[in-house]
Amino acid sequence: DIQMTQSPSSLSASVGDRVTITCQASQDISNYLNWYQQKPGKAPKLLIYDASNLETGVPSRFSGSGSGTDFTFTISSLQPEDIATYYCQQYDNLPRYTFGQGTKLEIK
Amino acid sequence: QLQLQESGPGLVKPSETLSLTCTVSGGSISSSSYYWGWIRQPPGKGLEWIGSIYYSGSTYYNPSLKSRVTISVDTSKNQFSLKLSSVTAADTAVYYCVGDASVFDYWGQGTLVTVSS
Repeated sequence: DIQMTQSPSSLSASVGDRVTITCQASQDISNYLNWYQQKPGKAPKLLIYDASNLETGVPSRFSGSGSGTDFTFTISSLQPEDIATYYCQQYDNLPRYTFGQGTKLEIK
Repeated sequence: QLQLQESGPGLVKPSETLSLTCTVSGGSISSSSYYWGWIRQPPGKGLEWIGSIYYSGSTYYNPSLKSRVTISVDTSKNQFSLKLSSVTAADTAVYYCVGDASVFDYWGQGTLVTVSS
């Protein structure tokens, strides 16, 4: 099984800050990595697919990068509405998708 | 724009079978673009993919749940369903149905299923 290690598990930042979350795969997954945002009581929402592609309608302050085993998700300027939990998800190891454990983002 | 809606009992007794249905609207479940899947999230915890099905009936399951899971599809009703047998308290979770294109870009709102006597 491919394990996805996401860090940090929680993060507190100020409005306007640059925020970075990392996701590390236990083996090479090329660019088969997606990022989701989940607000309390809501279903997750796709933000980034194939490691670096912004989903239609998602603000450009969100971005993703990386390939192989190391991936990064960035919010260039944190906004109050970005408070949520963020998850990475790999799809290299079919038929099993796995998610990172999540990063809970809070406003300082 | 696809919409997905879960339905089914919110309370299931231990050792019984959890059954949920997802109704797809705004498009055909027979679309070649998607598998249709289930993901769950225990309260306060992370996301776990359960399994997915193609409209033809081809399935693939999370190996950790495979022995207890059955996913089926009814193209005439534009629905797919989840059955999880021999449930325990550890199966208490919000269950989401999703459109699966290796990326989950369509989600139902989720339904909480509690396993308790």
